[in-house]
Amino acid sequence: RKEVEQDPGPFNVPEGATVAFNCTYSNSASQSFFWYRQDCRKEPKLLMSVYSSGNEDGRFTAQLNRASQYISLLIRDSKLSDSATYLCVVKRSTGRRALTFGSGTRLQVQP
Amino acid sequence: GAVVSQHPSWVICKSGTSVKIECRSLDFQATTMFWYRQFPKQSLMLMATSNEGSKATYEQGVEKDKFLINHASLTLSTLTVTSAHPEDSSFYICSARAMMIADTQYFGPGTRLTVL
Repeated sequence: RKEVEQDPGPFNVPEGATVAFNCTYSNSASQSFFWYRQDCRKEPKLLMSVYSSGNEDGRFTAQLNRASQYISLLIRDSKLSDSATYLCVVKRSTGRRALTFGSGTRLQVQP
Repeated sequence: GAVVSQHPSWVICKSGTSVKIECRSLDFQATTMFWYRQFPKQSLMLMATSNEGSKATYEQGVEKDKFLINHASLTLSTLTVTSAHPEDSSFYICSARAMMIADTQYFGPGTRLTVL
């Protein structure tokens, strides 16, 4: 089983739609959680960290459920520029402190 | 924000040659640098963790004699793919963790390697 699992998509949505991505992680020692965005042939860029209390950044809302080991990202009022691959990322509290990436969920926002 | 550069951004080489990729933190000192590899439509996979002045720690399945990592200073780590083969063709990305900014990693723009 992969340490971080995501639905690969693609999610094809019209402009203005609300879309939600889910992610599950298997290692209960995971401490920090993030959503990254990766455009084609580019490096991943941090979109937002994810906190237990849930957090919002403009049109983006992230939620974490530690009991279920589940992370979500909600995008409201989708823009064409939101088209990208969204990577769910976790970091363990012990051992090496590299990031573990999910395989990503591809979003295509259509006009 | 902190900037990490990689050089070259892309390289095409013949099978059997060695390729060196540089990763530099431009405006901060990085105690640790990480090297990832990403094949098409797949996730980033950690190859190795590099600490300044010590040997790199390789992930299971990554050959340390094939992927040589040197982290000679707090701002530079290099990855050398020795005797590259077509199956080594991939997108190689480094990230750097800043000394003074805990738990934050900054990614380089990546190096696309194509081995013919």
